[in-house]
Amino acid sequence: AQRVTQPEKLLSVFKGAPVELKCNYSYSGSPELFWYVQYSRQRLQLLLRHISRESIKGFTADLNKGETSFHLKKPFAQEEDSAMYYCALRSGGSNYKLTFGKGTLLTVNP
Amino acid sequence: DTGVSQDPRHKITKRGQNVTFRCDPISEHNRLYWYRQTLGQGPEFLTYFQNEAQLEKSRLLSDRFSAERPKGSFSTLEIQRTEQGDSAMYLCATFLRGGKAGANVLTFGAGSRLTVL
Repeated sequence: AQRVTQPEKLLSVFKGAPVELKCNYSYSGSPELFWYVQYSRQRLQLLLRHISRESIKGFTADLNKGETSFHLKKPFAQEEDSAMYYCALRSGGSNYKLTFGKGTLLTVNP
Repeated sequence: DTGVSQDPRHKITKRGQNVTFRCDPISEHNRLYWYRQTLGQGPEFLTYFQNEAQLEKSRLLSDRFSAERPKGSFSTLEIQRTEQGDSAMYLCATFLRGGKAGANVLTFGAGSRLTVL
């Protein structure tokens, strides 16, 4: 069975500081990993996916199959980055069902 | 139609009552998913449809829960004889597979929050 672990419930940094939100997964096959973000009073939305290999809002994430990790990073955090971040895994097959972690609440202080 | 629409946004009910939630997907999105999110947890998969066919149900979906998508467009999620443990946010998400812009991404609605007293 697949599992996604986000070890930090809360993460607080100062504006301009680097930020890393950790995500580890457990899955025997070849996974597809995503980061979703939920800003205050907004719906859950896709931030980025590993197959795109792109930077969104300054965030990047690299899939490390050896360490089964997909950590989200940003070199200089901004106050508007404050939100709930969820890591999610799609197991193989055609159903596109996602398994989510419990989320990390990021607070960027001025 | 610019997004996934869910109704009602909030529902407060007494234990034992039935409740129904509705989800209107993005046009052309042939796949529709229901998730449940409780406090401190990420969304948990409940069930999904491809067009009108319900293709998978989670073990979380007890026999008090039923979901339909009769014409392959909107979907309803009904909970019968609600219990306090059913209190949660019920999220609908839709998906279009293919090469069009916006495809291959699970797009979520704002959710329907259920409180069972």
